[in-house]
Amino acid sequence: QVQLQESGPGLVKPSETLSLTCTVSGASISNDYWSWIRQPPGKGLEWIGYIYYSGRTNYHPSLRSRVTMSIDTSKSQFSLRLTSMTAADTAVYYCAKGAGWWGYWGQGTLVTVSS
Amino acid sequence: QSALTQPASVSGSPGQSVTISCTGTSNDVGANDYVSWYQQHPGKAPKLMIYDVTNRPSGVSNRFSGSKSGNTASLTISGLQAEDEADYYCSSYTTNSNPFYVFGTGTEVTVL
Repeated sequence: QVQLQESGPGLVKPSETLSLTCTVSGASISNDYWSWIRQPPGKGLEWIGYIYYSGRTNYHPSLRSRVTMSIDTSKSQFSLRLTSMTAADTAVYYCAKGAGWWGYWGQGTLVTVSS
Repeated sequence: QSALTQPASVSGSPGQSVTISCTGTSNDVGANDYVSWYQQHPGKAPKLMIYDVTNRPSGVSNRFSGSKSGNTASLTISGLQAEDEADYYCSSYTTNSNPFYVFGTGTEVTVL
């Protein structure tokens, strides 16, 4: 079955850069879209952006200046890089398969921004 | 760039039906059929319940149904069961100059 697993640091200092990786198994990372979605503690979901297997990306307008996504089809991984982290970026970060609707999600990883 | 509007909470007794609304604008919900719904239990990842307004993924109970009228989409849960108690979120594609995806504010469903 399709599985996604996020990996990365659970704690990031203010102003630093967050780097997360999502490893996909049970599905080909090619010919599909792959998204990042986050959820601040006790709050709602926010779409961060997606990357197509070809490398084409689309980001949320409010995060566009700080976000970069990349994909490594040879490793079945895609990544998120978010710069200039602040406390407002504290959230559970999910990777998910698709764009428009998301049928498979990772379990999520809590990222806390604190010094 | 505002979130879609959902009621904060809805409740119903077992066996009853509840409907959750998701109100957007002519730039998102009213502009396309890319509306989806997600169920989220505490501490868990969201689960896709409805996509493209009315379609149910394989494995999702037919007690869940979706519809749309104008700028408002709806999720109806029929024959409410204790396991349906969760948070529910809608999502839509926007057709602004820089298209992106937006989620609803979320609705907590309580089974009385």
